[in-house]
Amino acid sequence: SQQGEEDPQALSIQEGENATMNCSYKTSINNLQWYRQNSGRGLVHLILIRSNEREKHSGRLRVTLDTSKKSSSLLITASRAADTASYFCATESGSGSRLTFGEGTQLTVNP
Amino acid sequence: DSGVTQTPKHLITATGQRVTLRCSPRSGDLSVYWYQQSLDQGLQFLIQYYNGEERAKGNILERFSAQQFPDLHSELNLSSLELGDSALYFCASSLQSTGELFFGEGSRLTVL
Repeated sequence: SQQGEEDPQALSIQEGENATMNCSYKTSINNLQWYRQNSGRGLVHLILIRSNEREKHSGRLRVTLDTSKKSSSLLITASRAADTASYFCATESGSGSRLTFGEGTQLTVNP
Repeated sequence: DSGVTQTPKHLITATGQRVTLRCSPRSGDLSVYWYQQSLDQGLQFLIQYYNGEERAKGNILERFSAQQFPDLHSELNLSSLELGDSALYFCASSLQSTGELFFGEGSRLTVL
């Protein structure tokens, strides 16, 4: 079963615009991670935010976490065509180990 | 390049057959994870090994089995294959049993 659910399922924007993707989850977590996947390729880790953190930045990426609402958002600023990919949130719960992934958001950035 | 190597990249086989997928984790990583990605099921966790021992089990069918060897490479065995087993199978590794995962490029299995 999926722990995280991304919203929207698909997002199409123009280059230079910001892209925001949301993730909701069901149980308490240790951390939440965002991954990117280019079509048919392996997933690449983007950023990890711990349950006691509220916001984290990495380059053009900004992640927020609201544990009271069990939700997270990923903001990509000044998007580029090369940002076109699927973005997944993943949660780590309990004593660690497995990550549970959401269904993903397909982002298309048009040049 | 994540440092995780998976072979084969592509595999086409028939129903009822058995295949073995191989994964070499990043140098120094003790944990290996297997995930299945299909269009209708998304990314499903199958199983995790840590330093040779099974650590966590997910939605892994009884027809599937895995192991991690002393040199830390891992194999996923899929038997009595069905059409629905067609998917991308990913291996990932991490240093400990928590935190960031490093994914391989996957093995694409097609069952005809």
